[in-house]
Amino acid sequence: GAVVSQHPSWVICKSGTSVKIECRSLDFQATTMFWYRQFPKQSLMLMATSNEGSKATYEQGVEKDKFLINHASLTLSTLTVTSAHPEDSSFYICSAPSVRFVSDEQFFGPGTRLTVL
Amino acid sequence: GENVEQHPSTLSVQEGDSAVIKCTYSDSASNYFPWYKQELGKGPQLIIDIRSNVGEKKDQRIAVTLNKTAKHFSLHITETQPEDSAVYFCAAANTNAGKSTFGDGTTLTVKP
Repeated sequence: GAVVSQHPSWVICKSGTSVKIECRSLDFQATTMFWYRQFPKQSLMLMATSNEGSKATYEQGVEKDKFLINHASLTLSTLTVTSAHPEDSSFYICSAPSVRFVSDEQFFGPGTRLTVL
Repeated sequence: GENVEQHPSTLSVQEGDSAVIKCTYSDSASNYFPWYKQELGKGPQLIIDIRSNVGEKKDQRIAVTLNKTAKHFSLHITETQPEDSAVYFCAAANTNAGKSTFGDGTTLTVKP
């Protein structure tokens, strides 16, 4: 199957700082990537759909100015949490569908644990 | 939008027994139903999926059934092993729209 990586795997930052999380498709091109947030013992909640070369589509209730998404290439999407606060602490996961495979499967990254002090 | 309900939230079985997790969905446009296994601190991993034109699919100890009329689908794990212990999520997706909606998850514990 296809491989999606995320960097960093975990990050601790001070309140008010910005944090950038990278999502890469290692062996396939992804024109679309999805960003999810998962709080402890809860489900994955879709935050936004990242589209290569165009603006991201945000889900209702997600602040686009706080969660900046850039999908500058077919293998890289970034999520920047701006002016992070403790309530932004969560597990952030990206995924990408692979058009190379005859499948509807989504390939998930390993996730990034963000802790805001 | 789509709404996916998953039951039970926790499930404890003895090693060797079967485990069944059930999900319902609301949007008749959903046509793809994957099941994911998530271990602590990791991203979800696809374990099996089914499309709306199929009623049942099996892969060794894992099977999924789909009832389109009733809008529900189930995961069946037979001969459970301790390493099956994890959180399992169902999801429903409209592949034309691309987005998936996840259930709330089931924590499965397999006791040796």
